[in-house]
Formats: sequence, C-alpha cells, structure tokens
Amino acid sequence: DTEVTQTPKHLVMGMTNKKSLKCEQHMGHRAMYWYKQKAKKPPELMFVYSYEKLSINESVPSRFSPECPNSSLLNLHLHALQPEDSALYLCASSSNYGYTFGSGTRLTVV
Amino acid sequence: TQLLEQSPQFLSIQEGENLTVYCNSSSVFSSLQWYRQEPGEGPVLLVTVVTGGEVKKLKRLTFQFGDARKDSSLHITAAQPGDTGLYLCAGEHSGTYKYIFGTGTRLKVLA
Repeated sequence: DTEVTQTPKHLVMGMTNKKSLKCEQHMGHRAMYWYKQKAKKPPELMFVYSYEKLSINESVPSRFSPECPNSSLLNLHLHALQPEDSALYLCASSSNYGYTFGSGTRLTVV
Repeated sequence: TQLLEQSPQFLSIQEGENLTVYCNSSSVFSSLQWYRQEPGEGPVLLVTVVTGGEVKKLKRLTFQFGDARKDSSLHITAAQPGDTGLYLCAGEHSGTYKYIFGTGTRLKVLA
C-alpha cells in the first residue's frame, strides 16, 4: 500500500459544528503532517507528528486540534471554525525521499 | 521564515516547447523535492535530490540541485498538455521533518 487516504473528500460545516478529518497510511512512515492549502497558493504547514508525538505546531489556532491515535492514523478535529478556514486540507506522511500526500479534504465553512 | 521562491509564477506555452522552472533560496537544504499538483488533488512527488550538483532525469523532465544546495531547477523538454499543473519545490532543513514549499509555478501547455 503506497497511499495516504483522507476522508471525507468534501465537507461543509457550520461555524458551530464539530467535525473531524481523518488520514490513514500503511507505509510505515513515522512522520505525518497536516497542511492547509488556499486556492492558487502552496500548501502551508500546520502540524507535524513524529513517532506519534506532536513535534511542530505552526501557531495554529486552537479551533484546530490534531490527534495521532497510532502510527497509521492522523485526525484533525475542527470546532468553531470561521469562513476563512475554508480550504483544501492535506495530510501527508514522509520517508527519507519525500512526502506522500493524500488527495485532501475540501472544507467549506458556512 | 525561510522562503523558497519559484520563477516564473505562471507559464503558458505551446505543446512541443521547452521550459525551465527555478526554485531559489538563501538557505541550505539537506534535500529538495519537486511535486506536481492538479486541481482538487494532493501534490504528487516527482523527484528528490540530496547531493549538491545532482542531476536526475524522469522521462522528459530533468531536475538539478545547485552545488550549494540552495537552489534547484526543473527543465521540461517537448512539453505536452498532460504536463499542465502546479509545480512545487519543497526543501527540508536537516533533521527538522519540516518541508518548506516554494511559491509554486502554474504551467499550462496548450495543444
């Protein structure tokens, strides 16, 4: 298995909702990431997990809460988001040779 | 914040033409990757370069890592419409697990 699987593919949520994004990989990669990508912009790093521990938080607002239940899974819990948080959220895992990205979750906050 | 500047930002060319995309930084990277991203999808890894001066070829794509490991280039020969997409370079500082993405080059190849 050489893929990173993200669910759901699309998500529309209200500003008072709580939702979660899920990411799964079975390549044995020990580093996993959440990126946020706005239209026509490069991905921006949000969080890095290394060996299931949060190693980097790029000053992300607390309405985004990451979780790494085990070495294959990465979640991003969302609560009280704002319309400007609408974006493509990308999960990735990495080996020594680069990232493998998922297809992303297209999030719209209304 | 270390920046990776890509140029050009946008490029629209005819099928069959050659092109070069540049990725420049003032920082030294332990490795540098190139990705291509299509709309609504995640970036797909094309190549990783790790040694200064390294050249790698992937069919019609040629990647070069600068001698000082601060810059890189991607050359496409005889571009095809299927090459259309957003090209991103990404560099890692040694041991950080943190890849910084370049500003991106949006390529459109017209048939």
